[in-house]
Amino acid sequence: DVVMTQSPLSLPVTLGQTASISCKSTQGLVHSDGNTLLNWFHQRPGQSPRRLIYNVSKRDSGVPDRFSGSGSGTDFTLRINRVEAEDVGFYYCMQGAHWPYTFGQGTKLEIK
Amino acid sequence: EVQVVESGGGLVQPGGSLRLSCAASGFTSDDHAMHWVRQAPGKGLEWVSGIFLKNDRTGYADSVKGRFTVSRDTASKTLHLQMNSLRAEDTAFYYCVRDILPGGADVWGQGTTVTVTS
Repeated sequence: DVVMTQSPLSLPVTLGQTASISCKSTQGLVHSDGNTLLNWFHQRPGQSPRRLIYNVSKRDSGVPDRFSGSGSGTDFTLRINRVEAEDVGFYYCMQGAHWPYTFGQGTKLEIK
Repeated sequence: EVQVVESGGGLVQPGGSLRLSCAASGFTSDDHAMHWVRQAPGKGLEWVSGIFLKNDRTGYADSVKGRFTVSRDTASKTLHLQMNSLRAEDTAFYYCVRDILPGGADVWGQGTTVTVTS
């Protein structure tokens, strides 16, 4: 199975500052269709995960442009500019290139 | 609006069985695949099982292989997860997830709770 490793696991951030989360995979995530299948999700307490980013860097509809994804190969990053109070919660990376799909451990973002 | 809605969760004793269902609506095609993903209390996300919608090929996590069976009813557009020989460690919130595109995990349901306890 592909192992996804996130860091940091805890991320205290000051409002208005930038947050960055790393996700590393043990294998490449290029699908047979040529896309790199790396997604980022945000989960608030008591809610289902919501996808923010797919195919490494494509933002889902309604996701603010403060959120951006980047990376290639086995190293990926989620960046949140100008952090707002509504951004708190857990962030997960997920690879969808290989079954079983696998998730990172989750990063808890909180406001300092 | 595309959505998936889970049902069937509940309280069961170790060794017991439950059948989860997931009703999909608003989708215009078979899309790619559907999955079950679970989250134990206070823990992260774990893929449990999935089924490709074009050929019904299935997959399972090692932790549930031989105990859980995923299936779908094409006519009613419903996904099922038959869970047998349940263990305490199967206690979790179970989410139904649909891939519109490969690997997308695009649409998530609200989840259903499974509690295995004596």
